[in-house]
Amino acid sequence: QVQLQESGPGLVKPSETLSLTCSVSGGSISSFFWSWIRQPPGKGLEWLGYIYYSGSTNYNPSLKSRVTILVDTSKNQFSLKLSSVTAADTAVYYCARQYCSRTSCYLDYWGQGTLVTASS
Amino acid sequence: QSALTQPPSVSGSPGQSVTISCTGTSSDVGSYNRVSWYQQPPGTAPKLMIYEVNNRPSGVPDRFSGSKSGNTASLTISGLQAEDEADYYCSSYTTSSTLVFGGGTKVTVL
Repeated sequence: QVQLQESGPGLVKPSETLSLTCSVSGGSISSFFWSWIRQPPGKGLEWLGYIYYSGSTNYNPSLKSRVTILVDTSKNQFSLKLSSVTAADTAVYYCARQYCSRTSCYLDYWGQGTLVTASS
Repeated sequence: QSALTQPPSVSGSPGQSVTISCTGTSSDVGSYNRVSWYQQPPGTAPKLMIYEVNNRPSGVPDRFSGSKSGNTASLTISGLQAEDEADYYCSSYTTSSTLVFGGGTKVTVL
């Protein structure tokens, strides 16, 4: 059973960079896409972007200038960096496996989520 | 990319059926059958309920079903149960190779 676990600071100062890591266990990070999703308190889900195990990425156009997703296959981990944060970036951040094929594309395994607050 | 459009809330009594709509555009829902649905009870991570419009992962009850017509996908919960009370989100792959979510629908069991 694939399991994902987010880790990183729960508090980030405005204008600084948010950094989170997702550790994958119970399966290899190879041959799949891996995504980050966030959910502001009381609001809906927002897809931030994905990385393929080979390193290719695609990001939400609305955040593309601030988001970077990296992968470390040797550690079975992938990470999220979001620069120049503001209070609007306060949210629960989830990592997830994104299964994509010729006919399908969905998020089948999710981490439990981690709350990140942008505040001084 | 714009979020897919879902009704904010739907409700029904135990045993009834409810349907949640998810309207997108020809750049997402209308272009592919890559539509999925997620259930999120309060304080928990989302759970995949439907993928590829109408397929259920192992362990998801068959009272959950999906369909699609044009730019609109739908999730139907038949035989509503108290444990089905949660927020539900649709998602679609887009022509830009991104994913987009709907705004979410709160299902209340009366």
